[in-house]
Amino acid sequence: KQEVTQIPAALSVPEGENLVLNCSFTDSAIYNLQWFRQDPGKGLTSLLLIQSSQREQTSGRLNASLDKSSGRSTLYIAASQPGDSATYLCAVVEATDSWGKLQFGAGTQVVVTP
Amino acid sequence: DVKVTQSSRYLVKRTGEKVFLECVQDMDHENMFWYRQDPGLGLRLIYFSYDVKMKEKGDIPEGYSVSREKKERFSLILESASTNQTSMYLCASSLLGTSQRSSYEQYFGPGTRLTVT
Repeated sequence: KQEVTQIPAALSVPEGENLVLNCSFTDSAIYNLQWFRQDPGKGLTSLLLIQSSQREQTSGRLNASLDKSSGRSTLYIAASQPGDSATYLCAVVEATDSWGKLQFGAGTQVVVTP
Repeated sequence: DVKVTQSSRYLVKRTGEKVFLECVQDMDHENMFWYRQDPGLGLRLIYFSYDVKMKEKGDIPEGYSVSREKKERFSLILESASTNQTSMYLCASSLLGTSQRSSYEQYFGPGTRLTVT
């Protein structure tokens, strides 16, 4: 059974520092990996999606890498801002899944201090 | 932009009541999903649907049912609400994987915080 892990569970950084968030998964046979952001009491916002054939995706200050063979993805957020404070979740779709069901990690709670 | 809306942001119901949570998407997505999110347990899939009138159980379907009469609308039904169903409920949608333009990217609604007293 696929297990998705995010370590650490919480992270606090001063404004301006780069954020590095980790996601690992036990079964490398995935279709894609998606990173989300969740603000307290709100829904999930899709940040980046990496297909299994891709190594990375970029959007503005965000860059996500994927190493399928080692079962890891990393989300980099450059020059963090207080507005980046949120919980970040990663999720994978297994290659054998016909419906695109997501297997989620527990998330990393990020606080960026001014 | 894909838009997924949920009928209520906050809902308070009494034990034993029948509860309907509605979700609507405007991007002609085939797939729709219902999750619940609880502290320490993360997001868990309750039910999903890949077409009108089609549904599949997720990881925790007990105590819930669903209805999909129109492509854009997916309803979650709590037949007899119980206190252990107090949770944040999230709806999501995505394209079906057989479509060439599909990446299975899921788009989420704002969530409904349900309290059962």
